[in-house]
Amino acid sequence: DIQMTQSPSTLSAYVGDRVTITCRASQYISSWLAWYQQKPGKAPKVLIYKASILESGVPSRFSGSGSGTEFTLTISSLQRDDFATYYCQKYNSYPYTFGQGTKLEIK
Amino acid sequence: QVQLVESGGGVVQPGTSLRLSCAASGFTFSTHGMHWVRQAPGKGLEWVAVIWYDGSNKYYVDSVKGRFTISRDNSKNTLYLQMNSLRVEDTAVYYCARDRGIGGYDFDYWGQGTLVTVSS
Repeated sequence: DIQMTQSPSTLSAYVGDRVTITCRASQYISSWLAWYQQKPGKAPKVLIYKASILESGVPSRFSGSGSGTEFTLTISSLQRDDFATYYCQKYNSYPYTFGQGTKLEIK
Repeated sequence: QVQLVESGGGVVQPGTSLRLSCAASGFTFSTHGMHWVRQAPGKGLEWVAVIWYDGSNKYYVDSVKGRFTISRDNSKNTLYLQMNSLRVEDTAVYYCARDRGIGGYDFDYWGQGTLVTVSS
C-alpha cells in the first residue's frame, strides 16, 4: 500500500506567518491528492483537491501544489481560525490513505 | 444543503456486532459514492470502506476485511456499515463522507461522526 508522510508533525507559527506543510507519497500518485482541515471535536473539511484545486468557499490564502510524490499545502498569511490539524490524503487507488497529520499551533 | 447524519454508535463488548447508519439529504444520493472513515481517540484519520454510487463496487481497508460490510439503500438515501467481530482497536469516531464523484474521488462533505467504543 502507498504510505503518505507529512512533515512537520507539529508546526508553531504566528498570526500573519506564511506556512508550508509537506506531504510525500511512497509511490507515484499523479495529482490525486486532497488536503483536509480538522478542528477539535469536528469533522474534517476539504480545502484542496486534485493537488491544487481550491474547494469552493475556502479562503484564497490556502493553496496546494505538487504532483507525483511530493506535495505542499501553503497558507499565505495565517489567521487565528487556521490553527487546526491538517491531513493529506491520496485517492488514486484503494486503499485510500491519509498522512499522519500536522498540528498547527499558535506561537 | 448537503447533510450527512450518522447514528448507531455505542459501547459494545469485543466480539459483538454493531450497525452504523448514515442518513443523507440535500443531494441526489444515488449519484455519489460514499465512504466510511474512522478516527481513534487522539489519533489520525483512517479510511475504512467505500461503496460506489450504485453499490456495484466495494473496497475495504485490510484491517476490517471479512468483518465489516458497507452497503447502501438508494431508495432510503442511507449508507450502512455492518461491523462484526468487533475488536478493542475498532474504537473510534466513525464518519460517513460523500465522494465527490461516483466512488473514486476525494470527500467533499462529512457527517458529524458517531462514536463506537469496544470494551469489556
